[in-house]
Amino acid sequence: AQKVTQAQTEISVVEKEDVTLDCVYETRDTTYYLFWYKQPPSGELVFLIRRNSFDEQNEISGRYSWNFQKSTSSFNFTITASQVVDSAVYFCALSEARGNTPLVFGKGTRLSVIA
Amino acid sequence: DAGVTQSPTHLIKTRGQHVTLRCSPISGHKSVSWYQQVLGQGPQFIFQYYEKEERGRGNFPDRFSARQFPNYSSELNVNALLLGDSALYLCASSHLGPGSYEQYFGPGTRLTVT
Repeated sequence: AQKVTQAQTEISVVEKEDVTLDCVYETRDTTYYLFWYKQPPSGELVFLIRRNSFDEQNEISGRYSWNFQKSTSSFNFTITASQVVDSAVYFCALSEARGNTPLVFGKGTRLSVIA
Repeated sequence: DAGVTQSPTHLIKTRGQHVTLRCSPISGHKSVSWYQQVLGQGPQFIFQYYEKEERGRGNFPDRFSARQFPNYSSELNVNALLLGDSALYLCASSHLGPGSYEQYFGPGTRLTVT
């Protein structure tokens, strides 16, 4: 069975601080995909990144970076020099590549960036 | 290009009533999925449709049903509403078949059951 755990329920940081959001996943498949989504107060889920299980290279996109480690089943998300606009709920999700498998989400981490 | 659209934005219903939620996918996307997000939780999968056929169903009662039309838009129907059905209902579309591709979400329909 698939499972995604985001142990941090809420995080509060001061603007310009770096912050890392943790994600640990469970799956029996060797082929799977991991995702991060951002949900601002408006409610719409905004796609941030998709990573497949065969690509363990870390990725950087502007102030965002992702650290994928299969050995620890983790896919952590770091925001560098956080800004107030980064305040949102962030979800990590997993999709197994076999058959018709939907996204399995974690419970989310609420990030508050204080000016 | 327009993103995923959903209607209505907000809805208030009474217990026992029926509700229909609508979703239009991104142009060219043939797969639509529905998720329920209860306050404080992550989205939970309800249904997935691809090329107008049901391809997946989550652990929801038979009161929940859906369909996809020839233009790939979709409806989610919920009968005999319960207070616990109050949630944000999200629709997502994706370009290719079910499984591994990024799903793009609409703004959601917030359903309140009183």
